[in-house]
Amino acid sequence: DAKTTQPNSMESNEEEPVHLPCNHSTISGTDYIHWYRQLPSQGPEYVIHGLTSNVNNRMASLAIAEDRKSSTLILHRATLRDAAVYYCILNTDKLIFGTGTRLQVFP
Amino acid sequence: EAGVTQSPTHLIKTRGQQATLRCSPISGHTSVYWYQQALGLGLQFLLWYDEGEERNRGNFPPRFSGRQFPNYSSELNVNALELEDSALYLCASSLVLAGEQYFGPGTRLTVT
Repeated sequence: DAKTTQPNSMESNEEEPVHLPCNHSTISGTDYIHWYRQLPSQGPEYVIHGLTSNVNNRMASLAIAEDRKSSTLILHRATLRDAAVYYCILNTDKLIFGTGTRLQVFP
Repeated sequence: EAGVTQSPTHLIKTRGQQATLRCSPISGHTSVYWYQQALGLGLQFLLWYDEGEERNRGNFPPRFSGRQFPNYSSELNVNALELEDSALYLCASSLVLAGEQYFGPGTRLTVT
């Protein structure tokens, strides 16, 4: 299974943009890049996914490198509610969760 | 639209017993996934069912099994429970292969 590498933790202040990086150098052509987050005491929540092109939705943006070996999840204006563990996952037919990035948001 | 539902919310069993966990996917979703989240071990993929068939399974022993019913709901069975099976068991459903998965609230299984 293709693996992803993320920083263990990141910090942000409220209302500031957050860029969460992910490296996936062994990605194959059919792997979709998915992002999920898990708030404390809750199940994971889908955030966004993409294959080759950058993607935007109401929650976030996903910037995918041209060679697809890395991607960045962008939260345009962090809120306290965005404090969570963010997982970058390569999805073919199942989600293999790594350790993710724990995002702390300060008021 | 109702989300993924799971029952029971909590389940307490003793070692050696069997546990049955249930999951109802979002209406229209045909794929159901099971994950285990044990304390300190993160989320581990368990099983994937689609159209009533087991499509893939994670690195778990055969005493973890399940099935998917014609209405796409699913059941996870854990036989010969061991203490280390204590975990949060999460079910997710998706509409398409490699599509986004929507998770239920989970079943907390405690084995004593």
